[in-house]
Amino acid sequence: AQSVTQLGSHVSVSEGALVLLRCNYSSSVPPYLFWYVQYPNQGLQLLLKYTSAATLVKGINGFEAEFKKSETSFHLTKPSAHMSDAAEYFCAVSEAGGSYIPTFGRGTSLIVHP
Amino acid sequence: NAGVTQTPKFQVLKTGQSMTLQCAQDMNHNSMYWYRQDPGMGLRLIYYSASEGTTDKGEVPNGYNVSRLNKREFSLRLESAAPSQTSVYFCASRNFDEQYFGPGTRLTVT
Repeated sequence: AQSVTQLGSHVSVSEGALVLLRCNYSSSVPPYLFWYVQYPNQGLQLLLKYTSAATLVKGINGFEAEFKKSETSFHLTKPSAHMSDAAEYFCAVSEAGGSYIPTFGRGTSLIVHP
Repeated sequence: NAGVTQTPKFQVLKTGQSMTLQCAQDMNHNSMYWYRQDPGMGLRLIYYSASEGTTDKGEVPNGYNVSRLNKREFSLRLESAAPSQTSVYFCASRNFDEQYFGPGTRLTVT
């Protein structure tokens, strides 16, 4: 069984500030982990993924995430927020080598203030 | 290369009406998925198809049926719509470990 918990349904930052979106997972086997972004009225777009290679994963638009097995976490960060980063962010987990049915978190809405 | 396309973009139904949501992908992917997205609930899997000719239930299949018409197309049918099915529906296809999502269909059932 697998599950994802995203802490905070809304995160508010000022433009230029650090972005930190939290994701903790539960998986009975080695996981694949993903972050997706959803802009208003659009589908989901892959930001980055961890598939058992490097634990620090870099994605698009300056985002990165670090897989920490001991903490069962995969938090998403960006050093400096832009107004264009305002969107909904979803963390997802699937089982490595399994049937690939990902479980999604409930999402975190990132609000960026000027 | 259009990726994953969905029709219609918007739909309003009355309780008890039926409709089919269409999804097509042009990336030659084997696996396709239908999700619903509700506020504060994330994405929940309705049905998926691992390959042409096969379909399986996901987390929330009640009230829905699907058809994998061919490798490109995967449709979702609501036989008798209920207000609880008001949602945004996303179709996705998969290549290895990565999913590709369509733009969604926003469905309101009154």
